[in-house]
This record gives sequence, structure tokens and C-alpha cells, in this order.
Amino acid sequence: DQQVKQNSPSLSVQEGRISILNCDYTNSMFDYFLWYKKYPAEGPTFLISISSIKDKNEDGRFTVFLNKSAKHLSLHIVPSQPGDSAVYFCAASFYSGGGADGLTFGKGTHLIIQP
Amino acid sequence: NAGVMQNPRHLVRRRGQEARLRCSPMKGHSHVYWYRQLPEEGLKFMVYLQKENIIDESGMPKERFSAEFPKEGPSILRIQQVVRGDSAAYFCASSPLGAEAFFGQGTRLTVV
Repeated sequence: DQQVKQNSPSLSVQEGRISILNCDYTNSMFDYFLWYKKYPAEGPTFLISISSIKDKNEDGRFTVFLNKSAKHLSLHIVPSQPGDSAVYFCAASFYSGGGADGLTFGKGTHLIIQP
Repeated sequence: NAGVMQNPRHLVRRRGQEARLRCSPMKGHSHVYWYRQLPEEGLKFMVYLQKENIIDESGMPKERFSAEFPKEGPSILRIQQVVRGDSAAYFCASSPLGAEAFFGQGTRLTVV
């Protein structure tokens, strides 16, 4: 039973445009959500997070939106750059205190930025 | 400050052998987490350790798998009597208390 779902295995976006990556979850007890970026043969790199008490968090080109009633979050990257090409993982936690205890990950979306 | 160091990067074992995966956390980090990624899957939580203590092992298989984080030295994930289904990428992460975790580059285990 997948509690965190990323329904798009891949996404292709033109350089300079907005990339929108989506994530749905089923467990309303999740309290904290994170996005990680992963290049081939490397470990995931933390990008941005959001607490369940917020609906938006912004950091430079990256913005995460949380819709609790729909159990949906999205990551917006604008403008998209070639270096953004990677696999993006959505993750959820029952704890809001940081760390990586018991994170539930989606299967990832492979973002490809076209020149 | 070096990142989270995992070794080896690649490990090949025959069925029935033991696999030992090592993780040296970032300097100043006392919390270590192990995750496993099967092909075409997301990362799955295995275990969370602090120095000399297992805090949460809810994701560890009940048999053949064990983890430790001794007072001195790296954290070790040990898999006894490996089977083909253990082939995966194993990632370690570390964090200080209450802050975001950093992941290592992973160990890719192949069981032949």
C-alpha cells in the first residue's frame, strides 16, 4: 500500500519554463513533507520542506505548495534550468523535528529539462 | 567538512555470504538512518540509530539484517546469508538533532 504517490514517472519541460512536480499522500497523520533531488549514482539531496501547518514555502526558484484537504503537494521550479534534470522524490514524515526517521518516499519523477 | 561517507560504493556477494555496509556520518552528527532503494522504487526506511542505541528499527526485516552505531567508528549495516532479493542501493543519512539529514552516495549491493 503506497502512502506517498508520484504518479508521473517522468516529466519533460523546456528550459526557462515552469516545472511542476506532483505528489499525493493517503495518511492524514503525516505532519511534514520534503522534496529531495537525486542525480544518478548519488544520494538524495534535500531541496525544500513544508510543515502541515503551512500551505506554501518558498526558497529561491523552488516553491512547495501543500493542500491538506486534497492530500496533495506540488513542487514548482521556475525558471527551469538544465542542471535541474534529475529524479525528484517526495517524502512524508509523522515528525516535524527534522532528521530522517521513518520518512516515506514516493517512487520519484524523472525531470528532464529540454534546451 | 566531508559529507556522509559510505563504503564500499559497490559490493558483489554470492548467495549465502555476508554483506557489511559502512557509513561514516558527517562531523558533529550523532543520528544515522539507513534506507534501501530497490530497482524502480522509492527509498524505504530501515533503521534509525544514535550512538550505541537503536531508536527505530520498524523498517528492518526481522531476519538476517542488523545495524549498529558504536561509540567509536562508523555505523554498520550487516546482512547475513544474502539472497538475490537483497540486491539494492543502500543509503545512509546523518543529521544533528532536529535538523535536516544529509544522505551519502549509497552502496550498490549485487547478489549473484
